[in-house]
Amino acid sequence: DGGITQSPKYLFRKEGQNVTLSCEQNLNHDAMYWYRQDPGQGLRLIYYSQIVNDFQKGDIAEGYSVSREKKESFPLTVTSAQKNPTAFYLCASSNQGAWEQFFGPGTRLTVL
Amino acid sequence: SQQGEEDPQALSIQEGENATMNCSYKTSINNLQWYRQNSGRGLVHLILIRSNEREKHSGRLRVTLDTSKKSSSLLITASRAADTASYFCATDANDYKLSFGAGTTVTVRA
Repeated sequence: DGGITQSPKYLFRKEGQNVTLSCEQNLNHDAMYWYRQDPGQGLRLIYYSQIVNDFQKGDIAEGYSVSREKKESFPLTVTSAQKNPTAFYLCASSNQGAWEQFFGPGTRLTVL
Repeated sequence: SQQGEEDPQALSIQEGENATMNCSYKTSINNLQWYRQNSGRGLVHLILIRSNEREKHSGRLRVTLDTSKKSSSLLITASRAADTASYFCATDANDYKLSFGAGTTVTVRA
């Protein structure tokens, strides 16, 4: 079964803690993306990576970090520097040169 | 930054009716896409229309693009309860990044 998986589905974090969200794909896609979605709003790009060992900041990268050590994995760390981290986080991937993105089921992060 | 803006923000229709939503954008595009999101889930790609196309169909979906007005519309015909979802337009930016609007929430009443 090809697709994108995100884990966990729900995540609770205390203020001041770092937390890492997992994103794995077996679609053999080169590009991967992380988005943040707040209630009633569209998606905002946090980070993206077009190739292994390379990634770029999106529109709202402050307080987040990523790594791309493997083609199939693109974990996102929400650091304590992110002032308002409670949101729904979506990971996506796409083929090189293609515009269509395939999305994972999302992780809902709540800061207590 | 969000380039696309959907209108209306919310839409409630009876099963069997058609649903139309619009997307306006600010700068030139190579293509425009529509995605669907069921509550609490990831987005699903519906259709892509290129800047040199005016209309595209996929099943019960019809998308139009007017580059002179910088706008697109998505029509869902003969709606079903399963069409209840949020619909987003996405325009291309640089480096194969997408810019998403805030979405139109469609509720189909039985």
